[in-house]
Amino acid sequence: DAKTTQPPSMDCAEGRAANLPCNHSTISGNEYVYWYRQIHSQGPQYIIHGLKNNETNEMASLIITEDRKSSTLILPHATLRDTAVYYCIVRALYNQGGKLIFGQGTELSVKP
Amino acid sequence: GAVVSQHPSRVICKSGTSVKIECRSLDFQATTMFWYRQFPKKSLMLMATSNEGSKATYEQGVEKDKFLINHASLTLSTLTVTSAHPEDSSFYICSASEPVNTEAFFGQGTRLTVV
Repeated sequence: DAKTTQPPSMDCAEGRAANLPCNHSTISGNEYVYWYRQIHSQGPQYIIHGLKNNETNEMASLIITEDRKSSTLILPHATLRDTAVYYCIVRALYNQGGKLIFGQGTELSVKP
Repeated sequence: GAVVSQHPSRVICKSGTSVKIECRSLDFQATTMFWYRQFPKKSLMLMATSNEGSKATYEQGVEKDKFLINHASLTLSTLTVTSAHPEDSSFYICSASEPVNTEAFFGQGTRLTVV
């Protein structure tokens, strides 16, 4: 699976949009971009995933560049409960039944 | 989403004893489960892949005799930390996914402290 690069930390004001970038310049054609988050002392939580089209669900939006070498996770109205470490992971669909290799992630702090 | 439950959520044990952690998929069948460990301020590190009905596959550097994994049914995998030492103190997390699903669902984690 391709490697990802994320900034180690970011701050965001409560109520504002949080835009979390991820670089995955070596992504291959059959690999998807997944985002998970981990609130302190809990297991990771699935957020969203996509291949090449932009995706949106009730939690977030995922914007993938046309060349697929980078993506941005957008939390449209961040709340204090969104404070967590966010992981961007690239993996092939159905690859080893859900095996995920975690990078260092971005620690997002949402401030009042 | 699907629910994965881990038990216990916290455990304290004495050095030299063994500890068993359970991971259950509550509303789906998981032919494959994964075990991770996480040290403070660090990312999750994959330890092993647990396959129902067969031997687990361990990542490089993980001692299979120390971290015993059993996946006896489609809804239960167990991780036993044998002869625990203080350096085994960590946050252990399991995940599972349905065979036709693309998402991995995680348990809430188990905080192991070896004293």
